[in-house]
Amino acid sequence: TQLLEQSPQFLSIQEGENLTVYCNSSSVFSSLQWYRQEPGEGPVLLVTVVTGGEVKKLKRLTFQFGDARKDSSLHITAAQPGDTGLYLCAGERGNRDDKIIFGKGTRLHILP
Amino acid sequence: EAQVTQNPRYLITVTGKKLTVTCSQNMNHEYMSWYRQDPGLGLRQIYYSMNVEVTDKGDVPEGYKVSRKEKRNFPLILESPSPNQTSLYFCASSLSGTVLSTQYFGPGTRLTVL
Repeated sequence: TQLLEQSPQFLSIQEGENLTVYCNSSSVFSSLQWYRQEPGEGPVLLVTVVTGGEVKKLKRLTFQFGDARKDSSLHITAAQPGDTGLYLCAGERGNRDDKIIFGKGTRLHILP
Repeated sequence: EAQVTQNPRYLITVTGKKLTVTCSQNMNHEYMSWYRQDPGLGLRQIYYSMNVEVTDKGDVPEGYKVSRKEKRNFPLILESPSPNQTSLYFCASSLSGTVLSTQYFGPGTRLTVL
C-alpha cells in the first residue's frame, strides 16, 4: 500500500511558469520532507515540515504542510531549467514505527 | 567533506554470483539505511541500522543481507543475485532514524543481474 501519493507523476512546463506538486495521504504524519533528485545522483533534502499548517520558503520554492498533517504541497514560482529533477516527499508516520516512507515522486522538466 | 560513498557505482553480474556493495559515511551518523529505486515504484527501504550491531528489515528485505560491525560502514550483500534485483541502490545515513534528522544519500549503485 502506497501511503504517500504524489501528483502529478510528470510535469513539463516552460521556464518562467509557476507550478504546484502535491503529496497526499490518508494517514497522519508527524513530519514530512521534500527531496530533489537529479539524474545520476542521490536525493538531496530540501526541507522538513513539522507543524500542521506550516509554510516554509526556500528562494522560489514554497512548502506547505496541511493542517491535518496528511498532505503537503510544493509550489515553485517562475520555474527555471535548474529546477528540473525528481521531487520526492518522505514521511514518518505518526505512530512512529521508525520507518520512513517515500512517495514515488514527481518528475519535473522545465523547458528553456 | 561530509559524504556517503558507495562502491561500485556500476555493476553487471550474473545470476547466483555473490556480491557486496559497500557504503561508508564520515559524519559519525548512527542511522544507516539501504534503498532500492525502481521505475514506477519509487524508493523502497531494504534494511536499516539504528547503530552498530543493530539492524532491522525495511519493506523489501528478501534476498539481501546487511551487517553493521563498525559505525561508518554498512555493506549490502546479495548472496545469490537474481534478475529481479536489477535496480538502482542508494545508501543513506543520518544522525537518527527520524524524519527530523536529515538523511544524506550516496551517489547510487546501478546493478544489473543477467
